[in-house]
Amino acid sequence: AQSVAQPEDQVNVAEGNPLTVKCTYSVSGNPYLFWYVQYPNRGLQFLLKYITGDNLVKGSYGFEAEFNKSQTSFHLKKPSALVSDSALYFCAVRDFGQGGKLIFGQGTELSVKP
Amino acid sequence: SQTIHQWPATLVQPVGSPLSLECTVEGTSNPNLYWYRQAAGRGLQLLFYSVGIGQISSEVPQNLSASRPQDRQFILSSKKLLLSDSGFYLCAWGPDRVNQPQHFGDGTRLSIL
Repeated sequence: AQSVAQPEDQVNVAEGNPLTVKCTYSVSGNPYLFWYVQYPNRGLQFLLKYITGDNLVKGSYGFEAEFNKSQTSFHLKKPSALVSDSALYFCAVRDFGQGGKLIFGQGTELSVKP
Repeated sequence: SQTIHQWPATLVQPVGSPLSLECTVEGTSNPNLYWYRQAAGRGLQLLFYSVGIGQISSEVPQNLSASRPQDRQFILSSKKLLLSDSGFYLCAWGPDRVNQPQHFGDGTRLSIL
C-alpha cells in the first residue's frame, strides 16, 4: 500500500532563513508526488508536483521540492522564508487505483517569525 | 479556467438534524470529485469519491452519504447529524489523469450542537 509520512508536526523558522518541510513516501513503482498549502479556514492550494524528469521541481510562491529516489523523500524547500508562508503544508502521493485518489501526509505546521 | 464552489462556508446544526452540502465545478467536464473531512488538528480523511454521474464510492462507513446528480455537482448529505460529524468539509475535483493534481474548494465549517 502506498503511504506518505511527514515526520515533523511543526517547523519553526526565522524570516529570511531557508526552510525545509520533510516528506517521505512508500510506493510500489514510480511515485507521483504533490505538495499543498492550507491557510486557516481555507481549502488546500496546489504548490507543485513531481511526475518524472528533473529531481528539483519549482512551484508557486518561490517554493521548490527535491525528489530523492534513494532516500524516498520529497522535501519542500524555500531559500528565504516569509512570515506569510506560515501555514499548514501537506505532502501527497497518487494512489494508482480507481478514482485518482491522493494519499496525504498528516501535515506540517510551518511558523515563520519576524 | 476551472473553478470549484462550495457552500455554505459555515454551518451550525443541532444533533439529529439533516445535512446537505453542495459542491459545483465549472470549466471542466467529467471530473473526478471528492469529499474530505478535516477534523480539528489537521489530518484529511477521504469520505467519498465519484468518477461519474451516479457513481459513488465510499471510503469509510459513517453517518454520511454522497450523490452526484449532475456531471459537475457533488452533494454530501446526512439524515441525522451526530456530534462526531463536526469538522471542516472539503470538496475537490481532479481530471482523470494521474499526473494532474486535485483542486480544492474553500470548505464548509460544520459545527454540531
